[in-house]
Amino acid sequence: AQSVTQLDSQVPVFEEAPVELRCNYSSSVSVYLFWYVQYPNQGLQLLLKYLSGSTLVESINGFEAEFNKSQTSFHLRKPSVHISDTAEYFCAVSRSGGGADGLTFGKGTHLIIQP
Amino acid sequence: ETGVTQSPTHLIKTRGQQVTLRCSSQSGHNTVSWYQQALGQGPQFIFQYYREEENGRGNFPPRFSGLQFPNYSSELNVNALELDDSALYLCASSPGGASPYGYTFGSGTRLTVV
Repeated sequence: AQSVTQLDSQVPVFEEAPVELRCNYSSSVSVYLFWYVQYPNQGLQLLLKYLSGSTLVESINGFEAEFNKSQTSFHLRKPSVHISDTAEYFCAVSRSGGGADGLTFGKGTHLIIQP
Repeated sequence: ETGVTQSPTHLIKTRGQQVTLRCSSQSGHNTVSWYQQALGQGPQFIFQYYREEENGRGNFPPRFSGLQFPNYSSELNVNALELDDSALYLCASSPGGASPYGYTFGSGTRLTVV
C-alpha cells in the first residue's frame, strides 16, 4: 500500500514570490508520482508527473517538481507565483508497472496568493 | 477531445435512499475510476473499471457499486446512503489500464445526504 503526506495544509505567499509545496510518500513498491491542481468547484487537472528518467519534471505553466528517491519526496516549486495560481494542490502516487488500485492522494495544500 | 463529463452536478438525497451518478469518459478511454472527496480531504479511490469489468477496488463497502458500458459511459451506485457519504464524487478516465497515462478528471457530482 502507498501513502502520501502533504506537510502543509495552507501556504500563503505574496504574488511574484517563489513557493514550494512539500510532498512525501511511502511505498513498498516502485511508484509513479503526480501533482494535480483543483480550482474552486472544479475537478482535478494534471499538473505534472514523474514516471522514470530525469528526476526534474516541468509543467507548461512554470511549475516544476523533483523526485528524490532517498528522501521519498516529490516537492512542487514555482519561482514566481501569480494570483491565478490560487488553488488546491494534490500530490498523488500510483503503483508503477501498471495496476488497478488507482491513485493515492495526499490531503492537499491550499496555495493562497496575496497581492 | 470531449473531456470527462459528470451528471448531475449537485444532488440532495435522504439517508437510506439509493443514488446513481453518471460519467461520460473521454473518447477512446477504456479505463474509468471513481473517487470520493470529502470536504477538506484528498480524493479516495473507490474502484476502477477496465473494458466493462471491475479490476480494482479501494476500501469501500459493497453498497458502492458501478457499471461501465461499451460506449465508455459509466455509473456509480450507492445504496443505503449514510450521512458520511456526503462528498464530491469524481470520475476519471484513462486511455489504458496502466497508470502512466495519467487520468482525466471530470468536475464531479456534489452529493449531500440529509
